[in-house]
Amino acid sequence: DQQVKQNSPSLSVQEGRISILNCDYTNSMFDYFLWYKKYPAEGPTFLISISSIKDKNEDGRFTVFLNKSAKHLSLHIVPSQPGDSAVYFCAASDQGGSEKLVFGKGMKLTVNP
Amino acid sequence: EAGVAQSPRYKIIEKRQSVAFWCNPISGHATLYWYQQILGQGPKLLIQFQNNGVVDDSQLPKDRFSAERLKGVDSTLKIQPAKLEDSAVYLCASSLRGTLNTGVELFFGEGSRLTVL
Repeated sequence: DQQVKQNSPSLSVQEGRISILNCDYTNSMFDYFLWYKKYPAEGPTFLISISSIKDKNEDGRFTVFLNKSAKHLSLHIVPSQPGDSAVYFCAASDQGGSEKLVFGKGMKLTVNP
Repeated sequence: EAGVAQSPRYKIIEKRQSVAFWCNPISGHATLYWYQQILGQGPKLLIQFQNNGVVDDSQLPKDRFSAERLKGVDSTLKIQPAKLEDSAVYLCASSLRGTLNTGVELFFGEGSRLTVL
């Protein structure tokens, strides 16, 4: 049973355009959501997060939107840069529970120069 | 600040052999995690330690996998005997306990890639 779903395995965008990465979750107990970025042969690195008490969090070129009623979140990257090319993982946790992170399968973003 | 250290980076073994992975978390991080990432999938939690104690090992195949965290710092993950389906990257992560607003951010090591032939 996949609690965090990233239904699109890949996305290709032009440099300077917007990249939108989507994520859906099924567990209503999740109250904290994170995006991780992973380059080949490296461990995932934290990118941005959002608590369920908010619907938007912005950090430079990265913005995460949370729609709790739809159990959906998205990551917007504007403008996209070639260095953003990586695999992006959506993750969620239940802060009131074990705090363990549950990850989606990941989505490969390619930003073309 | 030093990151999460893992070794070895790569290991190739034959099925039914044993293997051990080592992790040194970020100094001061009480929580340590071992994740398994199979190619094309997201990381899956195997075991979570809070200091010396196990918080969650519900997805650890206990007939072949074992993990320990002595003195609440370093940790080892062992597989014995290995199966072909254990081929994966084993990621160690550590964290500080979060708050309701900040949540828990995990810091990952580079991972140990295991190939079972």
